[in-house]
Amino acid sequence: AQSVAQPEDQVNVAEGNPLTVKCTYSVSGNPYLFWYVQYPNRGLQFLLKYITGDNLVKGSYGFEAEFNKSQTSFHLKKPSALVSDSALYFCAVRETSGGYQKVTFGTGTKLQVIP
Amino acid sequence: DGGITQSPKYLFRKEGQNVTLSCEQNLNHDAMYWYRQDPGQGLRLIYYSQIVNDFQKGDIAEGYSVSREKKESFPLTVTSAQKNPTAFYLCASRPRESSYEQYFGPGTRLTVT
Repeated sequence: AQSVAQPEDQVNVAEGNPLTVKCTYSVSGNPYLFWYVQYPNRGLQFLLKYITGDNLVKGSYGFEAEFNKSQTSFHLKKPSALVSDSALYFCAVRETSGGYQKVTFGTGTKLQVIP
Repeated sequence: DGGITQSPKYLFRKEGQNVTLSCEQNLNHDAMYWYRQDPGQGLRLIYYSQIVNDFQKGDIAEGYSVSREKKESFPLTVTSAQKNPTAFYLCASRPRESSYEQYFGPGTRLTVT
């Protein structure tokens, strides 16, 4: 069965500093990996995805993620954090099982950017 | 929140009552999903549907039911059998092609007392 782990419940970073939000995954085949962001009492918004190709994926709002197959990781990064980046971030993996495509989400990491 | 509407935003019910949450999309997406979000547990899949008149149970389907009579609509009924129904419920949709991401609605916060 596929799974996703986000080992940090919360990440604190000073405004202007680089940020990293960690994600590791487990699937039996080739993974489709996603990052979403959620602001309070809102739905999730898509940030970026890895399907195939270049291991460094660029997404919305200056975010990027690095796919590392040997470490089964897909960490979210941004070179310079903004206070407005403070939100809940979810990593997700998609796998096809029995003809149906199932997405599994991590438990989320709260990012707090300190002014 | 990209063409998916969920209503109402907040919903209050008494214990023992069934309640139906609405989800409508105008994106012409084939697949639709219902998730439940609780603090510290991420999103857990309740039901999903890849085409009209077909749906599959997710990880926590007990106490819930769905229908998919139209491509644009995927209502979720929380029945009295659901032991802990108070939660934030999110609906999502996605195009048929597997590489596409999901599009989420704004969510419905259900409180049962």
